[in-house]
Amino acid sequence: EAGVTQFPSHSVIEKGQTVTLRCDPISGHDNLYWYRRVMGKEIKFLLHFVKESKQDESGMPNNRFLAERTGGTYSTLKVQPAELEDSGVYFCASSLVTGRSGANVLTFGAGSRLTVL
Amino acid sequence: AQTVTQSQPEMSVQEAETVTLSCTYDTSESNYYLFWYKQPPSRQMILVIRQEAYKQQNATENRFSVNFQKAAKSFSLKISDSQLGDTAMYFCAFMKHEGDYKLSFGAGTTVTVRA
Repeated sequence: EAGVTQFPSHSVIEKGQTVTLRCDPISGHDNLYWYRRVMGKEIKFLLHFVKESKQDESGMPNNRFLAERTGGTYSTLKVQPAELEDSGVYFCASSLVTGRSGANVLTFGAGSRLTVL
Repeated sequence: AQTVTQSQPEMSVQEAETVTLSCTYDTSESNYYLFWYKQPPSRQMILVIRQEAYKQQNATENRFSVNFQKAAKSFSLKISDSQLGDTAMYFCAFMKHEGDYKLSFGAGTTVTVRA
C-alpha cells in the first residue's frame, strides 16, 4: 500500500510569497493531520481533518495559514504571505480510526521542508 | 498539557554496538501511549515501537526495546546491534489513551551509526 505522500519535498521562497504544500494520505484514511517542526524544536500539531471537515485547528499559528481537504482525499496547506518564522518541516500524517479501541496510530509522510528567505 | 523531553540532541554509536536514547515526559494522565518514531535522512517518519502505560511489560520490536518507568515518567529506547540503516533522527512522543489524535513530541535525537 502506498504511504503518505507529500510534495514538494523542499520549497525555497522569499518572504511575502505564497507556498502551497500538498499531502496525499493513505487511501481510506479518513483522518489527516498536519504537524510542523521549526528547526531544532519539537514537532507541533497544527490541525486535524476528519474527511473534509476540520475537527481541530487549534494549532494553526495565524490566519496566514489555510488548510483544505476538498472531497476528503488529499489536503493542501497554503501559507500566504510567508514570513521568515514559517521556515521548517511540515509533516502530514493520516490514520484510519481515532481512539476507543486503542492507540490512534498515525502514519507520517517524509515532510515538506519550507525555507523562507 | 503534556511535555516530552529528549535531553540528547546527538548520539554516535559504532556498528554492532548498543545505544540508549532517553526520554522523559510530564503528564497528569494515568493511562496513555508512548511512541518512538524514526526519520532517516530525507525519508518518511516511521513508527519504531509503542508502549501502553497500563502494561508493565516493556515493548520490544526486534533490535529495539524500551525501558518504561511509569513512576519516573521515563521511556528510553535501546537499539541493540546497531546497523548503518539505524542512522536517523529519533522522536519520542506521547498520546492520551482514549480518542486522542494529538501527539506531543520531544525535540528529537540524531543517531549516527559509524561503520
